[in-house]
Amino acid sequence: DQQVKQNSPSLSVQEGRISILNCDYTNSMFDYFLWYKKYPAEGPTFLISISSIKDKNEDGRFTVFLNKSAKHLSLHIVPSQPGDSAVYFCAASAGTGRRALTFGSGTRLQVQP
Amino acid sequence: DTEVTQTPKHLVMGMTNKKSLKCEQHMGHRAMYWYKQKAKKPPELMFVYSYEKLSINESVPSRFSPECPNSSLLNLHLHALQPEDSALYLCASSRQGENSPLHFGNGTRLTVT
Repeated sequence: DQQVKQNSPSLSVQEGRISILNCDYTNSMFDYFLWYKKYPAEGPTFLISISSIKDKNEDGRFTVFLNKSAKHLSLHIVPSQPGDSAVYFCAASAGTGRRALTFGSGTRLQVQP
Repeated sequence: DTEVTQTPKHLVMGMTNKKSLKCEQHMGHRAMYWYKQKAKKPPELMFVYSYEKLSINESVPSRFSPECPNSSLLNLHLHALQPEDSALYLCASSRQGENSPLHFGNGTRLTVT
């Protein structure tokens, strides 16, 4: 049973436009959500996070939105750059005693020059 | 550059071999993790160490044996592995407490022949 789902395996956008990556979760206990970016042959790199007490967090070109009632979060990248081309993983964790992450299956973003 | 260092980067071993994967971090993090990632799949949690004590074992077979000699080091001892254990093994660390992202190393690409 996949608790974190990324239903779009791939996304292609033009340079300078907005990239929107989506993630859904089923576990109501999740209270901390993160986005990671992964290049081939490298480990995941932390991008941005949001706790369940907020509905938006922004860091430069990256903004994460959380809709708790819909159990949905999204990552907006604007403007998109060719260097953003990578696999993006959504991840979530639950409770203070356990900070291990559950990952989604990833979305491959390709930004076309 | 990643602040979590994993060695070796690549490892090929036979099913009767014994080998070890090593992970080191100097960020003062007191939680350390092993994840396994198969091709085109998300990382899956194997073990969590908290203050050098094993706190989570996700029902991992005993042919994988973790060890945390001190707060900076995490090892994964491998013995009698199967070809299906071939994967990317990722180490991560984080601060204890709430809302701390995991920082990943670049992984060890393991091939079992």
